[in-house]
Amino acid sequence: DAGITQSPRHKVTETGTPVTLRCHQTENHRYMYWYRQDPGHGLRLIHYSYGVKDTDKGEVSDGYSVSRSKTEDFLLTLESATSSQTSVYFCASRQSSYNSPLHFGNGTRLTVT
Amino acid sequence: GESVGLHLPTLSVQEGDNSIINCAYSNSASDYFIWYKQESGKGPQFIIDIRSNMDKRQGQRVTVLLNKTVKHLSLQIAATQPGDSAVYFCAESADAGGTSYGKLTFGQGTILTVHP
Repeated sequence: DAGITQSPRHKVTETGTPVTLRCHQTENHRYMYWYRQDPGHGLRLIHYSYGVKDTDKGEVSDGYSVSRSKTEDFLLTLESATSSQTSVYFCASRQSSYNSPLHFGNGTRLTVT
Repeated sequence: GESVGLHLPTLSVQEGDNSIINCAYSNSASDYFIWYKQESGKGPQFIIDIRSNMDKRQGQRVTVLLNKTVKHLSLQIAATQPGDSAVYFCAESADAGGTSYGKLTFGQGTILTVHP
């Protein structure tokens, strides 16, 4: 769907270690987003990007950083992973900032032990 | 597969029945709405969308109805099939004069189970 690939699909890491999740899209979409999905909370926005090197915080950005050096790639970094960051992470992209749907990747399941 | 959500509303139907999934939203400024389907272990999949200047939109076997007066959105699936079993959730956004960068607010979702 919309050519979005996330890697890795699964990862287990220890508390305190840095982790980087990768998102690659082949649709030349300008806008990209990182969400986390947790039971009882639904999808919550972590960070988003509205162009190369243009990023901003979402509602749950503490402990996360992002980078977008190319249109097709959007990286999410957990600077020092904590157990509360155990979650499923989804990347999404869209063509326009309004009146167009987000297209999602298949997610990365991250477990922090 | 992974658990997408716990204690979500559930809807069980028989194959061939029509299904109606409801969503209430709170932001009266929301002007764009989307329905997604999520199967276990996969990302949300776009089904259909609707803008606030419309009250009904039809796709293949699906219809979305928007009632802005009561801030209510529904997804109707005709002739439901076992392959329709999934979590369905709505999303809304408000353009906010072009400064919102398309940020969507997602509902919790409804689990649809279709019995053969």
